Amino acid sequence: EDKVVQSPLSLVVHEGDTVTLNCSYEVTNFRSLLWYKQEKKAPTFLFMLTSSGIEKKSGRLSSILDKKELFSILNITATQTGDSAIYLCAVPRSGNTPLVFGKGTRLSVIA
Amino acid sequence: NAGVTQTPKFQVLKTGQSMTLQCAQDMNHEYMSWYRQDPGMGLRLIHYSVGAGITDQGEVPNGYNVSRSTTEDFPLRLLSAAPSQTSVYFCASSFDGPDTGYTFGSGTRLTVV
Repeated sequence: EDKVVQSPLSLVVHEGDTVTLNCSYEVTNFRSLLWYKQEKKAPTFLFMLTSSGIEKKSGRLSSILDKKELFSILNITATQTGDSAIYLCAVPRSGNTPLVFGKGTRLSVIA
Repeated sequence: NAGVTQTPKFQVLKTGQSMTLQCAQDMNHEYMSWYRQDPGMGLRLIHYSVGAGITDQGEVPNGYNVSRSTTEDFPLRLLSAAPSQTSVYFCASSFDGPDTGYTFGSGTRLTVV
């Protein structure tokens, strides 16, 4: 069964801290891994990773994939209160079936 | 471009009532999905469609029905609402499948009493 496990499930940090969010997966015929940020409403796309060892970066956020060990990390440096959100990791299932999501990591950044 | 539009945003139903959650997209996306999100459970797939006239079940399809008569619309029907269906429902679409990511609607918060 295809599975995505995220850790930690919740995290509270102070502004300026650096955080690392983890995502491990088990899926037949891996194709890609996606990260989303969910604030009050709909998830919004952050990154798609397909190749091991290649870092994707957007501002203070970066992510990397390890296909041998079946995991990905999402790093956020110099956190701000606006980074408070649920961060979701997802992988496509086998065939053309939709994404399977992890339970998410709820990040709270306090001033 | 409106993207993915879900209506209503909020709904309260009594146990046993039926209703339809609407989802429409104007991006000519073939691929559409319905998810429900419950606290601590992440997003779970209810039903999905890879094109007009084609639908399939996800992880938690019981109590829900879908149809896809046009590319634009993918309504989700609750046949006889139960308190266990209290949740936030998201519709998502993609041009060519899940690999390239989804565009999500803003969600419908449903409470069944």
